[in-house]
Amino acid sequence: QVQLQQWGAGLLKPSETLSLTCAVYGGSFSGFHWSWIRQPPGKGLEWIGEINHSGNTKYNPSLESRVTISVDTSKNQFSLKLNSVTAADTAVYYCARGFREVFGVFIKTQYYSTYDYWGPGTLVTVSS
Amino acid sequence: AIRMTQSPSSFSASIGDRVTITCRASQRIGNYLAWYQQKPGKAPRLLISAASTLQSGVPSRFSGSGSGTDFTLTISSLQSEDFATYYCQQFYDYPPITFGQGTRLEIK
Repeated sequence: QVQLQQWGAGLLKPSETLSLTCAVYGGSFSGFHWSWIRQPPGKGLEWIGEINHSGNTKYNPSLESRVTISVDTSKNQFSLKLNSVTAADTAVYYCARGFREVFGVFIKTQYYSTYDYWGPGTLVTVSS
Repeated sequence: AIRMTQSPSSFSASIGDRVTITCRASQRIGNYLAWYQQKPGKAPRLLISAASTLQSGVPSRFSGSGSGTDFTLTISSLQSEDFATYYCQQFYDYPPITFGQGTRLEIK
């Protein structure tokens, strides 16, 4: 059974760096993409970015200048760093697994952007 | 970025009702769409992938349809455990992947 467990500091001051790690238990690690998604209190979901087992990343352009997602395949873990946080970064942060889907009729393209397993979420509060 | 707009944003319904939630994309996205259910304090749960593929373990009263810009999530007969917030998500053109603003379904 696949489980995602996540951890990291829950209270930060403005300008500090948010750091979270997600560990994957059960199932393959290399056959999926791994994402971070956040949700401000009482609001909707915002995609932060993704990484595959080779370390290839894609980021939300709105956060790209401050975000780094990394992977440690030896531990089946991936991590999120977000620099220079402000109160606007206060949110529950989720890690999630993106599974493979193939789209297209004549040209087949793989996507790993539908999320079937999620971590429980970590509330990160930014406050002075 | 592709904007996803859900309607309604919230509404009330009764046990046994048939409910339809709509998601509209700001440009054509084929069937590159997923639906999630989220309950308070919990992570989202995947219901539907590729616009209409029901995920394993999801009750058959849930169904998804649509392609291009207009999509629907239908619950054929509401059960008490279905009262939650529902999100659509597109990944046709990313980054960024984008979600709808959510539809909160409450008990009447």
